[in-house]
Amino acid sequence: SQTIHQWPATLVQPVGSPLSLECTVEGTSNPNLYWYRQAAGRGLQLLFYSVGIGQISSEVPQNLSASRPQDRQFILSSKKLLLSDSGFYLCAWRSYGNGELFFGEGSRLTVL
Amino acid sequence: QQQVKQSPQSLIVQKGGISIINCAYENTAFDYFPWYQQFPGKGPALLIAIRPDVSEKKEGRFTISFNKSAKQFSLHIMDSQPGDSATYFCAASSGGNFNKFYFGSGTKLNVKP
Repeated sequence: SQTIHQWPATLVQPVGSPLSLECTVEGTSNPNLYWYRQAAGRGLQLLFYSVGIGQISSEVPQNLSASRPQDRQFILSSKKLLLSDSGFYLCAWRSYGNGELFFGEGSRLTVL
Repeated sequence: QQQVKQSPQSLIVQKGGISIINCAYENTAFDYFPWYQQFPGKGPALLIAIRPDVSEKKEGRFTISFNKSAKQFSLHIMDSQPGDSATYFCAASSGGNFNKFYFGSGTKLNVKP
């Protein structure tokens, strides 16, 4: 069966520090991968998606970037965090040709 | 522009009652409509989904009703239980190699014992 892993689960970082959140999917190949952000008590905002290695599409201009160095690995990064980057970050995947979207457990980022 | 509008924002239901959450969309190209359940501190979990070729889908106590002409769909939770207390999100997507998912703003459900 397919599983998705995110880490770290919780992160507290100072303003101006770098960020790296990692997501890996197991049990599938060539998945579509997504990064979402959820502000406290709010909906899901799509940040980036990827249909293949090295292929990244950005939905919202921001202080973040994403990379996909391997088929089942998706990384969210920032060179300098802002207070507004705080939130709950969710990685998700979908199999090619299948409508179902599955989320990881999330990474909670607090920028102080 | 919000692609999917969800209501209500919050809902309080007594145990055993029916919870109803509504969503509306504009893009007639959408052909897949899932509902997600999210508990605090957890990622959303797929609950139930429907495609527009059927008007209703039922899985246990959860039912999706779909009205293609009105471009609306709703989630009904029968015999609501305190364990159903969570935030529910509707979503919509269209076909193709990549399916962008557009999410509603969420409904926080509180089922009182």
